[in-house]
Amino acid sequence: DTAVSQTPKYLVTQMGNDKSIKCEQNLGHDTMYWYKQDSKKFLKIMFSYNNKELIINETVPNRFSPKSPDKAHLNLHINSLELGDSAVYFCASSPSANILNSGANVLTFGAGSRLTVL
Amino acid sequence: KQEVTQIPAALSVPEGENLVLNCSFTDSAIYNLQWFRQDPGKGLTSLLLIQSSQREQTSGRLNASLDKSSGRSTLYIAASQPGDSATYLCAGKYGNKLVFGAGTILRVKS
Repeated sequence: DTAVSQTPKYLVTQMGNDKSIKCEQNLGHDTMYWYKQDSKKFLKIMFSYNNKELIINETVPNRFSPKSPDKAHLNLHINSLELGDSAVYFCASSPSANILNSGANVLTFGAGSRLTVL
Repeated sequence: KQEVTQIPAALSVPEGENLVLNCSFTDSAIYNLQWFRQDPGKGLTSLLLIQSSQREQTSGRLNASLDKSSGRSTLYIAASQPGDSATYLCAGKYGNKLVFGAGTILRVKS
C-alpha cells in the first residue's frame, strides 16, 4: 500500500496547456504539501494545506492552483504551462501542522511527478 | 533569508569507509532538522529528524548531529555500503515549511 501516491508519474505536454497532478495519502495525516524540485535539484515548498485549509502559499504564479477536496487529497492544477514549469513535483504529508509536536513533523513524500513542458 | 547549504556537492568513497556529510543553515531559529535520502527517480525517504532541543539522533549506521549555535548539522554514515549510494538532503524546519539544501550525491564503490 503506497502511503503517498501521485499521478501521473510522468507528464509531457505542450506550452500553453492546462494540466493537473493528483495526490492522495492513506496515512490519516492532517497536513499535505506540494514541493517543486527544479533541474538543479533544489526542493522548494509551494503550498501546504492543513485539514483542507491553505496554510502556506509561497511566491508561486497564479497559474498554479492547489485544491484539497478532503484532507486525504491535495491536487495541483497548472494553467497555461510554460517551459520553466518543467520540474519534478513532490507531494508530501505529515501528521499535523503543529510545529511544537515533534511527532507531527516527519514528512512522508510521494515518488514525484515529472512534468516536461515542450 | 533562510538558506541551507550542503557540502560536498558530490562524494565518492570505497565500500567500508566512514563518511560525513555537512549541512549548514543561516537562520538558527530552526524547529528541527531532517535528513532525507533520495534515490534516482524516486521520492524522499526521511532518515533522521533532530529537534532543536536535541544534539543528535542515531539510526543503525547513521548518526546525525545538530549544533544550532554554529548553524551546522552533520550526517555520519558508518561502514558505507554500495546500497547507500543516493542523494542526501538536509532540510531545516522554519514554521510550517522545510527549507532544503541542494543535496550531496554519494557514490559508494564496491
